[in-house]
Amino acid sequence: DIQMTQSPSSLSASVGDRISITCRASQSINTFLNWYQQKPGKVPKLLIYGASSLQSGVPSRFSGSGSGIDFTLTISNLQPEDFATYYCQQSYSTLRTFGQGTKVEI
Amino acid sequence: QVQLVQSGAGVNKPGASVNISCQASGYPFTRYYIHWVRQTPGQGLEWMGIINPIAGITSYAEKLQGRLTLTSDTSTSTVYMELSSLTSEDTAMYYCARDDHKLWAFDIWGQGTMVSVSS
Repeated sequence: DIQMTQSPSSLSASVGDRISITCRASQSINTFLNWYQQKPGKVPKLLIYGASSLQSGVPSRFSGSGSGIDFTLTISNLQPEDFATYYCQQSYSTLRTFGQGTKVEI
Repeated sequence: QVQLVQSGAGVNKPGASVNISCQASGYPFTRYYIHWVRQTPGQGLEWMGIINPIAGITSYAEKLQGRLTLTSDTSTSTVYMELSSLTSEDTAMYYCARDDHKLWAFDIWGQGTMVSVSS
């Protein structure tokens, strides 16, 4: 199975900050990398697919980059509603493994 | 409206099996694979398995092989997940999710079904 490792596991930030979350795959996955946001008690929401494509309706302050093994999710101008847990997921393999998550806290 | 609606929560005894349904609506059911993902309380997302609804072809996470069975009923646009030999470690929220074959990502999720395993 392809292992996905996110860092950091949590971070503290303030409204208006720019933050980055990284995700590393255990093997090359080209750009088959997705990012999801999950708020407490809610269903995960797709933010970015194909490493850098913004899902419809997602604010442009979210962006993704990377290919191969290393990927980054960047949130510019952090808003109150962005405080949540973020997960990366590889879609290179049928077995769609997730990273362990990064909790973004105030 | 495109949606996946899951069956309700339940409490199950250790050693028993649980069966959760996931009914699709608002899109051509047979054209999208369905995945199952679970989340233990306070923990991350764990991919469980995938089913091709029209062919019934499945793949499962290695740790769940032998205990997990996914099936589909095209007449009702419903996918079923059965997990057997339950232990307390199976206490989790279970989600079905649609795999958009253009995005290669899970674009639609069910609302989740909480399964508690307790004697």
